[in-house]
Amino acid sequence: DIQMTQSPSSLSASVGDRVTITCQASQDITNYLNWYQQKPGKAPKLLIYDASNLETGVPSRFSGSGSGTDFSFTISSLQPEDIATYFCQQYDSLPLTFGGGTKVEIK
Amino acid sequence: EVQLVESGGGLVQPGRSLRLSCTASGFTFGDYAMSWFRQAPGRGLEWVCFIRGKAYGGTTEYAASVKGRFTISRDDSKSIAYLQMNSLKTEDTAVYYCTRDSRVGQPVVWGQGILVTVSS
Repeated sequence: DIQMTQSPSSLSASVGDRVTITCQASQDITNYLNWYQQKPGKAPKLLIYDASNLETGVPSRFSGSGSGTDFSFTISSLQPEDIATYFCQQYDSLPLTFGGGTKVEIK
Repeated sequence: EVQLVESGGGLVQPGRSLRLSCTASGFTFGDYAMSWFRQAPGRGLEWVCFIRGKAYGGTTEYAASVKGRFTISRDDSKSIAYLQMNSLKTEDTAVYYCTRDSRVGQPVVWGQGILVTVSS
């Protein structure tokens, strides 16, 4: 199974700050990576697919980059509504696997 | 509006069975792969299984943790995906989500989730 190591597990930042989350795959997954946002009690929401493509309707302050084994997700200017847990997920091979999540809070 | 609604969850004893349903609307159900994911309380996300669309033979894949116990199926005439869960274990306790996949492994549309609690 491909292991997805996501860091940090939590972070606290101020409104307007740039926030970056990283995800490392245990083997090459090309660009087969999604990023999700999950708010408490809600289903995950796809934000980024194919490592860097913004899902329709998602604000442009969210972005993703990377290929191979190293990936990053950035919120360019943190907003209060961005408080959530963020997950990466690989779909290069089965079983589909997720990172452990990053809980983003406002400082 | 594209929508997925899960039903059939609840409290069940270990060793018993439960069937979840995912009723879809707002799109041509048979054209899409469908998946089930789950999330144990306070934990991360886990892929459970998926079923390809009719054009790809409706074939299925399962996570090792549920293979042989869970079965995913679909009724394209009713726009419903099912998850038959047998021999349930306490570790199957989770919120189960149904998804519509733009391609296998890429769930784009998620249902609201349904809680399954396995406990004596």
